[in-house]
Amino acid sequence: AQSVTQLDSQVPVFEEAPVELRCNYSSSVSVYLFWYVQYPNQGLQLLLKYLSGSTLVESINGFEAEFNKSQTSFHLRKPSVHISDTAEYFCAVSERAGGTSYGKLTFGQGTILTVHP
Amino acid sequence: NAGVTQTPKFRILKIGQSMTLQCTQDMNHNYMYWYRQDPGMGLKLIYYSVGAGITDKGEVPNGYNVSRSTTEDFPLRLELAAPSQTSVYFCASSGTGTGLYEQYFGPGTRLTVT
Repeated sequence: AQSVTQLDSQVPVFEEAPVELRCNYSSSVSVYLFWYVQYPNQGLQLLLKYLSGSTLVESINGFEAEFNKSQTSFHLRKPSVHISDTAEYFCAVSERAGGTSYGKLTFGQGTILTVHP
Repeated sequence: NAGVTQTPKFRILKIGQSMTLQCTQDMNHNYMYWYRQDPGMGLKLIYYSVGAGITDKGEVPNGYNVSRSTTEDFPLRLELAAPSQTSVYFCASSGTGTGLYEQYFGPGTRLTVT
């Protein structure tokens, strides 16, 4: 079984400031890692994922996350945020189980990022 | 492509009533999922399906049932609605290979049970 802890429920920042949203996970097996974003009154969208290879992964809109196996973390960062980044962000994990995980996701509690002008 | 569609968008039920939340995807995905989202709790998996005719329980299946008669449709049934089932429900789907690990979500159904 896995669990995901997002350490901040709300993060307020000013526009153009850097931001870090923290995510730690616990699992008895190897996992894949994800960040999803949910804009107000919408479903979730995949922001970025770590499956293998480089531990630093990037999204098309400037976010990046780094897989740290020793610290079991997958923190999300952006060097300069925009008003349009205001949303709720969810960290999630899925077991690397040779296909028998069926892609099931375990989500963290979510972090509401609010970008102020 | 419409992606994943859900109906209705909103619903108010009285305790003990039943209803079906509809979910359809047009991406020919084998895998489909139902989650519920409660404030500050993230999303919890209710049921999932790996293909037509095959379903299994997730983390919080009590009070719900599902069926998967076609690849496209994955309805979620609430038989005896209870206030604890007040939530936002999301359906999702994913493909195969590495696509298994990219879930596409519908817009959600907001359900209130009073």
